[in-house]
Amino acid sequence: KQEVTQIPAALSVPEGENLVLNCSFTDSAIYNLQWFRQDPGKGLTSLLLIQSSQREQTSGRLNASLDKSSGRSTLYIAASQPGDSATYLCAVTINQGGKLIFGQGTELSVKP
Amino acid sequence: DGGITQSPKYLFRKEGQNVTLSCEQNLNHDAMYWYRQDPGQGLRLIYYSQIVNDFQKGDIAEGYSVSREKKESFPLTVTSAQKNPTAFYLCASSVWGSVNTEAFFGQGTRLTVV
Repeated sequence: KQEVTQIPAALSVPEGENLVLNCSFTDSAIYNLQWFRQDPGKGLTSLLLIQSSQREQTSGRLNASLDKSSGRSTLYIAASQPGDSATYLCAVTINQGGKLIFGQGTELSVKP
Repeated sequence: DGGITQSPKYLFRKEGQNVTLSCEQNLNHDAMYWYRQDPGQGLRLIYYSQIVNDFQKGDIAEGYSVSREKKESFPLTVTSAQKNPTAFYLCASSVWGSVNTEAFFGQGTRLTVV
């Protein structure tokens, strides 16, 4: 059974720091991996999607990497800002459908 | 604007009552999903539908029911059989069968038992 784990559960950094969020999954047979952002009481906003054949994706200050063989993905946030404060969730798709298996999320706080 | 609309934003249910959460999308996506989120936990799949008039149980379907009569709509009913319904419910949609199967989410419905 596929399981997704995110470490750390919470992270607090000063503004301007570069930071890395980690996601690991137990079964390397994934279709793709998505990173999401969730603000308190809100829905999920898709940040990046990495297909299983890709190694990384970039969007602005965000860079996500994928290493299927080791079952790991990282989300790199450059020059963090207070507006980046949110919970970040990673999720894998295990078949051609869009069913997602989620990690528990990392709650990020960026202090001014 | 294209997207997913969930309503209501807040919902209160009395003991023994059935309630229905609405989810509508105008993205022309084939697949729709319902997830439940509890504090400190990731999202768990309740039901999903790949096509109109067809749907499958997810990991925690007990006490819930769905219908898919139109491509755009996938309402979720929380029945009295669901013993612990207080949670945040999220609806999502995606294209089915693509490596670029990016999921899009609504803004959620917070259900509270009173």
